[in-house]
Amino acid sequence: DAGVIQSPRHEVTEMGQEVTLRCKPISGHDYLFWYRQTMMRGLELLIYFNNNVPIDDSGMPEDRFSAKMPNASFSTLKIQPSEPRDSAVYFCASTRTMGTEAFFGQGTRLTVV
Amino acid sequence: QKEVEQNSGPLSVPEGAIASLNCTYSDRGSQSFFWYRQYSGKSPELIMFIYSNGDKEDGRFTAQLNKASQYVSLLIRDSQPSDSATYLCAVNFEAAGNKLTFGGGTRVLVKP
Repeated sequence: DAGVIQSPRHEVTEMGQEVTLRCKPISGHDYLFWYRQTMMRGLELLIYFNNNVPIDDSGMPEDRFSAKMPNASFSTLKIQPSEPRDSAVYFCASTRTMGTEAFFGQGTRLTVV
Repeated sequence: QKEVEQNSGPLSVPEGAIASLNCTYSDRGSQSFFWYRQYSGKSPELIMFIYSNGDKEDGRFTAQLNKASQYVSLLIRDSQPSDSATYLCAVNFEAAGNKLTFGGGTRVLVKP
């Protein structure tokens, strides 16, 4: 298995533009997590899904953020409109079942100028 | 109060010594506990997991869990320069729907 795959690896965009981050979890994993990592706030859980259903989105900072998981092999995190304070590394992770190891993607480094 | 707390460090350790890292968590029902290592510019990778009270050893790493006191620790024996990284404590709050929450991480520097 190729592991969790995220795209793009790097994204530079102008303030106000829409940004879409993509994630392909490991096949057979039931849980998918989206995290944001910054120096100031560490690794923050934004939202997670179980069997494609969003379970907890309390970490999503604002209505500008939205996430979807249309099927078991694909998820997106969208920011519209983007702001400079959204600049961070966004990680996607998946786990087979509850309480098991989370495998992380390589992350997307987002820079909003 | 944060759900999972760690001292940010840096924790400076001479090569060959023991590095001791601590993590405390809020009580949210039954939990699973994980230690991840993250090198600069890389994604987190699992070092150890522990589910039951007591110690669990894996090579140079030992995880210790005390649910009554709500803390989990990681010991790194015979520290090597390659152990220099940020160590993240993660707790799976199963009573909250399997919410996997990370602490802020402890940066460890092993000096030759």
